[in-house]
Amino acid sequence: RKEVEQDPGPFNVPEGATVAFNCTYSNSASQSFFWYRQDCRKEPKLLMSVYSSGNEDGRFTAQLNRASQYISLLIRDSKLSDSATYLCVVRPTDSWGKLQFGAGTQVVVTP
Amino acid sequence: DGGITQSPKYLFRKEGQNVTLSCEQNLNHDAMYWYRQDPGQGLRLIYYSQIVNDFQKGDIAEGYSVSREKKESFPLTVTSAQKNPTAFYLCASSTRRGSLQETQYFGPGTRLLVL
Repeated sequence: RKEVEQDPGPFNVPEGATVAFNCTYSNSASQSFFWYRQDCRKEPKLLMSVYSSGNEDGRFTAQLNRASQYISLLIRDSKLSDSATYLCVVRPTDSWGKLQFGAGTQVVVTP
Repeated sequence: DGGITQSPKYLFRKEGQNVTLSCEQNLNHDAMYWYRQDPGQGLRLIYYSQIVNDFQKGDIAEGYSVSREKKESFPLTVTSAQKNPTAFYLCASSTRRGSLQETQYFGPGTRLLVL
């Protein structure tokens, strides 16, 4: 079993619609969670950190469910520029600095 | 502008050849990392360094070597022992504050292709 699992997609989303997807992690002791965005053939860039209470940054909302060991990302009012691969990233508590990356969920926003 | 630079953008390796990928940062970060990304897979950690003159193997270190002689630089050598080197190589850095919310910042990457 992979340590961080994501639905690879693609999620095809009409412009202006809402899309949400999850990521599951295997290490129940994990404390830090992040969403990164990666454009085609580019480097990952931090989108947002995920806090235990959930957090929102503009059109993006991240939620953490420790009981079921998953985090989610919701994108409202999708823009064409939101088309990218979204990487779920987890830091296990016993491995400072060593992040575990999911393979990514591809989102394609269509006009 | 502060950031991480990687060179070259594309690199071609012949059979039996060692090649070195450059990574430089001017963010004054203590920690630096090398990852490999293959299609359909998450990033995998090759080597990391938390401080100058010290580095540790990651999950897939075989066939790779690194050095950390300067805080700003963390070059990666892909040796001939790495039998499947074709991949997208990403360098990252972070401060070593130990915060759980400490994040890593990535360079633009180097694509390595085997001829």
